[in-house]
Amino acid sequence: GQNIDQPTEMTATEGAIVQINCTYQTSGFNGLFWYQQHAGEAPTFLSYNVLDGLEEKGRFSSFLSRSKGYSYLLLKELQMKDSASYLCAVRDSASGAGSYQLTFGKGTKLSVIP
Amino acid sequence: EAGVVQSPRYKIIEKKQPVAFWCNPISGHNTLYWYLQNLGQGPELLIRYENEEAVDDSQLPKDRFSAERLKGVDSTLKIQPAELGDSAVYLCASSPWTGSEAFFGQGTRLTVV
Repeated sequence: GQNIDQPTEMTATEGAIVQINCTYQTSGFNGLFWYQQHAGEAPTFLSYNVLDGLEEKGRFSSFLSRSKGYSYLLLKELQMKDSASYLCAVRDSASGAGSYQLTFGKGTKLSVIP
Repeated sequence: EAGVVQSPRYKIIEKKQPVAFWCNPISGHNTLYWYLQNLGQGPELLIRYENEEAVDDSQLPKDRFSAERLKGVDSTLKIQPAELGDSAVYLCASSPWTGSEAFFGQGTRLTVV
């Protein structure tokens, strides 16, 4: 099974940097995804990590430490439109060879204030 | 390229009535997911299909929920009878293969009164 933890809410100022943490406990870990979800909309893919280290994509970066069961999403130069929920999702091996399941955390609601 | 299409977007029904949701995944995507999302929570998996085969339905309340994916393309999720606690957003997602990036539809917001 999986146990994925994220902070429930965070608030940050426009133009600042914010780090959203995610810890997980799972067997057969095979990757971690971050999704963004604006209120009333579908989750959209932000980033994917399967190896340790930092993946940078524009203003967004994601870090993974498999030994610590830890990831974070870093948002730089925050904009008002970044106000959304950020979902951490872990992929791990389910029953059957080559079969994986994707399990989501409860999400972190980020509010960006002027 | 068209994304994942779900219908209806919104549905209000009385308790004990049946309801059905429809999903058309991205063309060529073999894996299809149905998730349930309550307000302020992350998506929770109900069922996962690989082509037409349901490979993970352990979280699906089988006494009232059913799903099918005939021909391994479109899928339908049904609730019969609906209960007040079923009010939530039902999200459909698809991916090229199991475990790859999932693409979500807009969801169906169900309200049971």
